[in-house]
Amino acid sequence: SQQGEEDPQALSIQEGENATMNCSYKTSINNLQWYRQNSGRGLVHLILIRSNEREKHSGRLRVTLDTSKKSSSLLITASRAADTASYFCATDSGSARQLTFGSGTQLTVLP
Amino acid sequence: NAGVTQTPKFRVLKTGQSMTLLCAQDMNHEYMYWYRQDPGMGLRLIHYSVGEGTTAKGEVPDGYNVSRLKKQNFLLGLESAAPSQTSVYFCASSYPANYEQYFGPGTRLTVT
Repeated sequence: SQQGEEDPQALSIQEGENATMNCSYKTSINNLQWYRQNSGRGLVHLILIRSNEREKHSGRLRVTLDTSKKSSSLLITASRAADTASYFCATDSGSARQLTFGSGTQLTVLP
Repeated sequence: NAGVTQTPKFRVLKTGQSMTLLCAQDMNHEYMYWYRQDPGMGLRLIHYSVGEGTTAKGEVPDGYNVSRLKKQNFLLGLESAAPSQTSVYFCASSYPANYEQYFGPGTRLTVT
């Protein structure tokens, strides 16, 4: 079963605009991570936020976490055509850091 | 460093055939994972390993077997392929102390 549900499923914006993606999950988590997947490629880790953190920044990325609502959001500022990709949230559980992924948001940034 | 590599990149099997997917990592990671990704969905964990000689079941293990004879390699086997196993398979690895997983480029498997 998918731990995370992402919203929207698809998002299309103009270059320079901001993109916001949301993720909801069902159970308690240790951490929440965001990954990017370019078409036909493997996933690349973007950012991790721990369960005791509320907000984290990395370059043009801003992640928030609300454990009371079991939700997270990923904001990409000043988007570029190269940001076109699928974005997945993932929560970890278990002693082996097993990840449970959401269904993903397909972001298209138009030049 | 090559990171995480997967062999083969593409494969077509007939129902009932068997095959082995190979994952190799050169980062000395203890943990390794096999996922499958179906269209429009996120990744689902098939099996994982926390070290050489140890494996465990993930969310969707039925129809698959794995082996971790060497720390750097993690093999995924399909003994009798079924059309429902048509998917893209990803291998990943990580350090025990690190939550970030490093992914391979994937193997696209079609079972007819």
